[in-house]
Amino acid sequence: QKEVEQDPGPLSVPEGAIVSLNCTYSNSAFQYFMWYRQYSRKGPELLMYTYSSGNKEDGRFTAQVDKSSKYISLFIRDSQPSDSATYLCAMTPGGTSYGKLTFGQGTILTVHP
Amino acid sequence: KAGVTQTPRYLIKTRGQQVTLSCSPISGHRSVSWYQQTPGQGLQFLFEYFSETQRNKGNFPGRFSGRQFSNSRSEMNVSTLELGDSALYLCASSLAPNSYNEQFFGPGTRLTVL
Repeated sequence: QKEVEQDPGPLSVPEGAIVSLNCTYSNSAFQYFMWYRQYSRKGPELLMYTYSSGNKEDGRFTAQVDKSSKYISLFIRDSQPSDSATYLCAMTPGGTSYGKLTFGQGTILTVHP
Repeated sequence: KAGVTQTPRYLIKTRGQQVTLSCSPISGHRSVSWYQQTPGQGLQFLFEYFSETQRNKGNFPGRFSGRQFSNSRSEMNVSTLELGDSALYLCASSLAPNSYNEQFFGPGTRLTVL
């Protein structure tokens, strides 16, 4: 069983919809949680970063971390066709492993006009 | 400022050969991590380098190796290539590994093993 589980989708939504992306994990040592977005033929780019439990908002994006349930979410409001990409959750325990990220499988999102 | 660059962008090799991939981090970044991305396994951590020393290693066989130079540039090498090594190899750089710093990814090297 993988340390980080993420539904690969694909997920298809109409423009303007609220999108919910989720990951579960098994390693309780994870302290830092990230969401990356990857467009086709590009490397991943960081969208959101959260330390420990809590919520964080940045424009149309909201990241939530619930360490007690080992569950993290990314919400996208008013989704746009330009949001069509693969979304990857990633996490690390920090300490001597800041540079070692464990990723979910990635969810392919398509927002159609 | 320039992003992470990886060369070559595309590579075709045959089984049994070896390959070397190169990564130039963002100027001022001293930590470099490598990842393998495949449709079946997703993104998997290979190794991390800082100050020319390997800090962390993922669960890959010894055929996968890497190094970092004094200017923070890094290379990874795969010997005795297998069909299953076909993947996108991504390099990421960050300022330093002693606290959380964003990892910036390059565009990757697409390796095809025939």
